[in-house]
Amino acid sequence: DSGVTQTPKHLITATGQRVTLRCSPRSGDLSVYWYQQSLDQGLQFLIQYYNGEERAKGNILERFSAQQFPDLHSELNLSSLELGDSALYFCASSVRAGPTNEQYFGPGTRLTVT
Amino acid sequence: AQKITQTQPGMFVQEKEAVTLDCTYDTSDPSYGLFWYKQPSSGEMIFLIYQGSYDQQNATEGRYSLNFQKARKSANLVISASQLGDSAMYFCAMREGLGDYKLSFGAGTTVTVRA
Repeated sequence: DSGVTQTPKHLITATGQRVTLRCSPRSGDLSVYWYQQSLDQGLQFLIQYYNGEERAKGNILERFSAQQFPDLHSELNLSSLELGDSALYFCASSVRAGPTNEQYFGPGTRLTVT
Repeated sequence: AQKITQTQPGMFVQEKEAVTLDCTYDTSDPSYGLFWYKQPSSGEMIFLIYQGSYDQQNATEGRYSLNFQKARKSANLVISASQLGDSAMYFCAMREGLGDYKLSFGAGTTVTVRA
């Protein structure tokens, strides 16, 4: 168990809908990252938050948004869903200090858009 | 350009033997970190080992070791004494810079351990 929690584990929804994925980082970790894993794109970085502030953006679509709350949990909002958004969405967290800054991943949310 | 290249889509290894997974990387940043993650069929991503660009020695963690060849920009993972539970997808990843930055992942290598 990495200490990072994600809910829900599975999500099935229809095209055009909006969903919210939730992530709680490990205790003490201030950085939260969102990644998308799909068969055609592999593992892609979406966005990073540090202590409530957006820190870095990757290949995140405009239909997607995220935020990190004062208690450090984060939510990824996906709207106007398309079939191609079906993927495994991971949240990861890390401490800022330390030589390695390894990221610990949650179990993922598997999104299926039908 | 691809930052991380894993050229072996799949590998078979006999139980108790060693296996080497290839990873090459591309960066112009002198400060970077290299990571290996394991993804079993259940889907979670498990951190295995880390190598920093300034580390003089190859990293080791139990049965995992990283063969770091900086001039060749390669960071191969060696799994010794393979076990059936090692069957999984393995990803090489790179962080450019020394801070808490994003990871760039390779396409992964599937390892199947045979009894």
